[in-house]
Amino acid sequence: GDSVTQTEGQVTVSESKSLIINCTYSTTSIAYPNLFWYVRYPGEGLQLLLKVITAGQKGSSRGFEATYNKETTSFHLQKASVQESDSAVYYCALGVNNYAQGLTFGLGTRVSVFP
Amino acid sequence: NAGVIQTPRHKVTGKGQEATLWCEPISGHSAVFWYRQTIVQGLEFLTYFRNQAPIDDSGMPKERFSAQMPNQSHSTLKIQSTQPQDSAVYLCASSRTGGEAEQFFGPGTRLTVL
Repeated sequence: GDSVTQTEGQVTVSESKSLIINCTYSTTSIAYPNLFWYVRYPGEGLQLLLKVITAGQKGSSRGFEATYNKETTSFHLQKASVQESDSAVYYCALGVNNYAQGLTFGLGTRVSVFP
Repeated sequence: NAGVIQTPRHKVTGKGQEATLWCEPISGHSAVFWYRQTIVQGLEFLTYFRNQAPIDDSGMPKERFSAQMPNQSHSTLKIQSTQPQDSAVYLCASSRTGGEAEQFFGPGTRLTVL
C-alpha cells in the first residue's frame, strides 16, 4: 500500500533559524501522486498549508516551501526563518487514484519555535 | 462559512455501547471523507462519499463500523459494540468535488471507550 514517512516526534528550533521537515513517500500507484503539507496550529483544525500535483514543481505558502522530487520520492518542507507563530504540528500527505482512498498521512512532526 | 461541523466534540462510552458521530460538510461540497487519528497509527482513511454515494470504504474495519450519508448536509459514522481500541479522534473532511480538490477538515470528535 501507500505510505508516508516524515521526521518523527518533535523539533525544537529558535526563532529566525531555518527549519526542514523531511518527508518521503511510497506508492503502488502507477500514477504520480499529489503531495500535500497540512498543518494544525494550537487550538485549530487541520488545514492545508501547500500542495503540489506535478513532479518537479515547488509549492509555497506562509514562507514555507516544498519541492516534489520524484527521483528521490521526497517532499521536504523548508522555511528559511521561522517565527513563534509557526509552532504547530505538520503532516505530509499524498493522494492517488483520484483520492478514492482518501489521503495517506505521515505521523506528523510537532514544531516548537522558541524566542 | 462555518466550516465542517462535527458533533459531539467529545464522547465517552462504555465498552459494548454504541457510538454515533455526526458530520456536516461545508455547504456545496459534494465529497465527504472520514478519518481516524490515534497516537500509534496516525491519521488513517476510513471511508469516502461523493454525491451521497459510498465510493470507497476500504479503510473501514470489517465489523462494527458503518457510515452513511442520507442527505447532502450530513454524514454519520456509527460504531457498534465499542471497544477500548476504538478510542481515537475521528475526523470528517469535505471537498468541493472530490478528486484533487482540497479537503477541509472538521475539528474532530474525540471518542473515549472505557
